[in-house]
Amino acid sequence: KAGVTQTPRYLIKTRGQQVTLSCSPISGHRSVSWYQQTPGQGLQFLFEYFSETQRNKGNFPGRFSGRQFSNSRSEMNVSTLELGDSALYLCASSALQGTNEKLFFGSGTQLSVL
Amino acid sequence: SQQGEEDPQALSIQEGENATMNCSYKTSINNLQWYRQNSGRGLVHLILIRSNEREKHSGRLRVTLDTSKKSSSLLITASRAADTASYFCATGEANAGKSTFGDGTTLTVKP
Repeated sequence: KAGVTQTPRYLIKTRGQQVTLSCSPISGHRSVSWYQQTPGQGLQFLFEYFSETQRNKGNFPGRFSGRQFSNSRSEMNVSTLELGDSALYLCASSALQGTNEKLFFGSGTQLSVL
Repeated sequence: SQQGEEDPQALSIQEGENATMNCSYKTSINNLQWYRQNSGRGLVHLILIRSNEREKHSGRLRVTLDTSKKSSSLLITASRAADTASYFCATGEANAGKSTFGDGTTLTVKP
């Protein structure tokens, strides 16, 4: 089985721009979660999608949004980028809703905001 | 703030030695998981221990859970240079529907 695939691997944007990150979960997994990882804040939960519906949301501003498609692939969008949005964005898939169990992570998208 | 706090923040040992890292958390949990992350990559699931379990083994890994103290420890025996990575605990919280990660312990194993 192929693992979780995230694209692109690296991204450089400037302040004020918007960005869309993509995540393809493991085949058969219907839950996709997104995390932001920074040296100062560690791993912060963004949101979780299951069967195209957002089930859980972390404490991030409305500039961070996401969606899930019928094939379970997910996208995350950040609008009006700020310098502080520079981070490694990790996507994880799970066979179960609620991400309380084993998560399978992609390699992440390293976003740099200049 | 993060649910889990890990201790120590950094650990440096020689190959062949054992490495122990600890995790403390604040709320009721369904389970606790440990993950490994190599630099700049995604996390890899190592082991899960449920709230009604006290100890679990997987290869060279041993995890303990003390729900009365809200703490867990991960022991890596006979460490290898390839074990060099950051290790994170993650709590599966009751009724929260998500896993919350600690700040991680950076382990360096010197050959």
